[in-house]
Amino acid sequence: QQQVKQSPQSLIVQKGGISIINCAYENTAFDYFPWYQQFPGKGPALLIAIRPDVSEKKEGRFTISFNKSAKQFSLHIMDSQPGDSATYFCAATFSGTYKYIFGTGTRLKVLA
Amino acid sequence: EPEVTQTPSHQVTQMGQEVILRCVPISNHLYFYWYRQILGQKVEFLVSFYNNEISEKSEIFDDQFSVERPDGSNFTLKIRSTKLEDSAMYFCASSAGRDPSYNEQFFGPGTRLTVL
Repeated sequence: QQQVKQSPQSLIVQKGGISIINCAYENTAFDYFPWYQQFPGKGPALLIAIRPDVSEKKEGRFTISFNKSAKQFSLHIMDSQPGDSATYFCAATFSGTYKYIFGTGTRLKVLA
Repeated sequence: EPEVTQTPSHQVTQMGQEVILRCVPISNHLYFYWYRQILGQKVEFLVSFYNNEISEKSEIFDDQFSVERPDGSNFTLKIRSTKLEDSAMYFCASSAGRDPSYNEQFFGPGTRLTVL
C-alpha cells in the first residue's frame, strides 16, 4: 500500500510552543522519509529527512522522530516561531522508483 | 540560488480545451517531474522524464497527458482535453540524479489550473 497518512490537517500553536505533525505508512520498502515545507506562493522545499536506520534526526529546531516498528514518523518544531507558519508535507520513497509519495499536508499557524 | 520556475501561475480554461503548462528546471538537472495537488488532497506524482523519455508514470497519467522537453531549458505538460477533475495545482520538479533517496527533488511554485 503506497500511502502516507498525515495528521493533523491544521495546527495552531503559540509562539515558543512545540508543533508536532505525525505521519504513518504501510509499505516497508520505503527507505527515505523527507519533510517538505511550503510557504504561500512557493513550491515545497526540503526541510529535513531521515532514513529508517536511525530513530531521530535533529537540525536546529526541527526534529524527526522515527518509529520503524510502528511505521510512524513525526516532525517536531521546537520553540515555534511565526515564521514557521507554512504547510508541511511528509513524504516517503524507496530505491527503484523516481517518485515521492506525499501525505495530505498540515497547515501550521504560529501565533505571535 | 537556482530555482525551478513555472508559467503561468494561474490558468483558467474551458472543459475540453488543451492546455500546456510550462516549467524551466534547474539548469544542470537531468531528471524532471510533474506532480499535482487537487485542493485539500495530497500531492500526487504524475510522471518522471529523463533523456527525452518517460521513466515512470502513475495511473493518473493517461493518454490525455503528455510531456515534452522542446528545447534545452523548458519542460512542458500538455493536457489534451481538459476535464473538470483536472482542476488542481500542478508542480514541476527537477533533480540532478535519479534516486530520490539521494537526490533532492526541487519544486517550482506551481501552476493553478482551473477548468470551467
